[in-house]
Amino acid sequence: EAAVTQSPRSKVAVTGGKVTLSCHQTNNHDYMYWYRQDTGHGLRLIHYSYVADSTEKGDIPDGYKASRPSQENFSLILELASLSQTAVYFCASSDQGGNTEVFFGKGTRLTVV
Amino acid sequence: QQNVQQSPESLIVPEGARTSLNCTFSDSASQYFWWYRQHSGKAPKALMSIFSNGEKEEGRFTIHLNKASLHFSLHIRDSQPSDSALYLCARWNMGYKLTFGTGTSLLVDP
Repeated sequence: EAAVTQSPRSKVAVTGGKVTLSCHQTNNHDYMYWYRQDTGHGLRLIHYSYVADSTEKGDIPDGYKASRPSQENFSLILELASLSQTAVYFCASSDQGGNTEVFFGKGTRLTVV
Repeated sequence: QQNVQQSPESLIVPEGARTSLNCTFSDSASQYFWWYRQHSGKAPKALMSIFSNGEKEEGRFTIHLNKASLHFSLHIRDSQPSDSALYLCARWNMGYKLTFGTGTSLLVDP
């Protein structure tokens, strides 16, 4: 079973503070993703990457940065956390192409106060 | 930006019922369609996929894809309490971006 590990699993941050969410995969996948999920709703893509040292904007990138220093690691950075960024964040990885499964981490619950 | 819409938003069915979940998308460009299932507090996990028009069955689950009508559905036969979860349809865009629907929350009442 493919493995995607996220840290921390939960975090409380103060408004205006900096938050870094980390993700590590051992699947040897080229593609990594950060999704946001608001309570009871679907997943929205924030940033993704298909190669180390390069990241791409997803559908809701405003207020977020991403970093892919290696194939295995992908971080999501909130430079100035806001209340509206309270959500569960999922990291995922996959091979290229639509006929491949995307494997998700267990999620990070972020609460901004 | 959600070009994948799901209905209903939530659903309660009795154990043993046949359940139908629907998904519509905005264009027929994609050829890869997936259903993911997410149990409460857990990560989403792929349930089934289909890559061409038609029907695919796996156990109690059947998916239908009709690209002409931009419609994609999931049917669960003999629904069980363990099927209670958030169901997410998804389509691949441009081969590298998976776009999810808004989700249907299913509760199977024992």
